[in-house]
Amino acid sequence: AQKITQTQPGMFVQEKEAVTLDCTYDTSDQSYGLFWYKQPSSGEMIFLIYQGSYDEQNATEGRYSLNFQKARKSANLVISASQLGDSAMYFCAMRDTGSGSARQLTFGSGTQLTVLP
Amino acid sequence: GAVVSQHPSWVICKSGTSVKIECRSLDFQATTMFWYRQFPKQSLMLMATSNEGSKATYEQGVEKDKFLINHASLTLSTLTVTSAHPEDSSFYICSASVLGGPLRETQYFGPGTRLLVL
Repeated sequence: AQKITQTQPGMFVQEKEAVTLDCTYDTSDQSYGLFWYKQPSSGEMIFLIYQGSYDEQNATEGRYSLNFQKARKSANLVISASQLGDSAMYFCAMRDTGSGSARQLTFGSGTQLTVLP
Repeated sequence: GAVVSQHPSWVICKSGTSVKIECRSLDFQATTMFWYRQFPKQSLMLMATSNEGSKATYEQGVEKDKFLINHASLTLSTLTVTSAHPEDSSFYICSASVLGGPLRETQYFGPGTRLLVL
């Protein structure tokens, strides 16, 4: 069974600085996808970035990049030039092709990021 | 693109009543929608997977007779909480999938519905 671990319940970063949110995963599959979502206090889950297990390059989307280390089974999210609006809960999620519903996402416990002015 | 709406955003009801929550994909067709439940400070818990034109698949421990799911069209899925009780108070959030390959399928989420049962 797949599992996502986010070991940082809370993180603080100074505005304009970069921050790394950790995510490790466990799966026996060779083929899987990794996602990061942002959830502000309003509750909506906002898709940020995707990384496929066979993607050779780390994914990037604007100020977001994913530091994918396959051998270590880690998929850390890096936010550059933090902004006050980045303050939110961040969830790492995974989909693999294991038995059962291959379309489900498994979510980590989340990291609450606070950007300080 | 890939906008998902949810209605209502807030609902307060009396114990014993039923509440219907709608989830719509506004600019795409979604053959599959997912319903999650989230308690404060916790992660999302998948309740069920809803496929258009067929019965929903419920996760273990989720009562299908209490949480009725209907996916009548490619753009609409509904979750009905029947005979709601205070312990059903939670944040309910739906998502709809956009296909891009077996693993590039991305779930886009609605804004969620906060349910308070008195």
